[in-house]
Amino acid sequence: GQQVMQIPQYQHVQEGEDFTTYCNSSTTLSNIQWYKQRPGGHPVFLIQLVKSGEVKKQKRLTFQFGEAKKNSSLHITATQTTDVGTYFCAGLRGGSNYKLTFGKGTLLTVNP
Amino acid sequence: NAGVTQTPKFQVLKTGQSMTLQCAQDMNHEYMSWYRQDPGMGLRLIHYSVGAGITDQGEVPNGYNVSRSTTEDFPLRLLSAAPSQTSVYFCASSYAGVGYEQYFGPGTRLTVT
Repeated sequence: GQQVMQIPQYQHVQEGEDFTTYCNSSTTLSNIQWYKQRPGGHPVFLIQLVKSGEVKKQKRLTFQFGEAKKNSSLHITATQTTDVGTYFCAGLRGGSNYKLTFGKGTLLTVNP
Repeated sequence: NAGVTQTPKFQVLKTGQSMTLQCAQDMNHEYMSWYRQDPGMGLRLIHYSVGAGITDQGEVPNGYNVSRSTTEDFPLRLLSAAPSQTSVYFCASSYAGVGYEQYFGPGTRLTVT
């Protein structure tokens, strides 16, 4: 079945440092979504990428979708303590409209 | 709008007991789904529904049943709980499918002893 691998599993940074998490799929994706889950909370949608090579920005967050639509990344510039949480990517395989496959997530902790 | 609501928030069951996890949404979303979240495992799809009367299996359906009699409600039933079902369960909904933003409920933390 489709697998979505996400690395790293954990990342600890000093406040102000940058952070990147990577997502790789074994199959071509029709789209990829990113979610953030605060400790003790539920996943909250951040963004969706659909086009090959797409880049989207949300303030200090930059999301990229690979040219082959098999990988994606989330980059946070100058982390803040409010960025703490687990970041998940979720891929939708081409031809399937009903089953998202989530990566295992990257837990980000920020030292103030 | 309340969004996606789940009850109960916490539950402890003994092995072999049955129970129903409730999920409701007031956004008139057609698509609803259930995930379980275990440490280090991410979110795994249990069952999903694309509309009232239509359900299908996800990645880890064994031990769980669902039904969708209305657009608003999508209960998850554990027929005979097992310790392996100890997990946090999230219900999610979206406008028309997984190609759209998924709205997650607050979750139910279930412990089976």
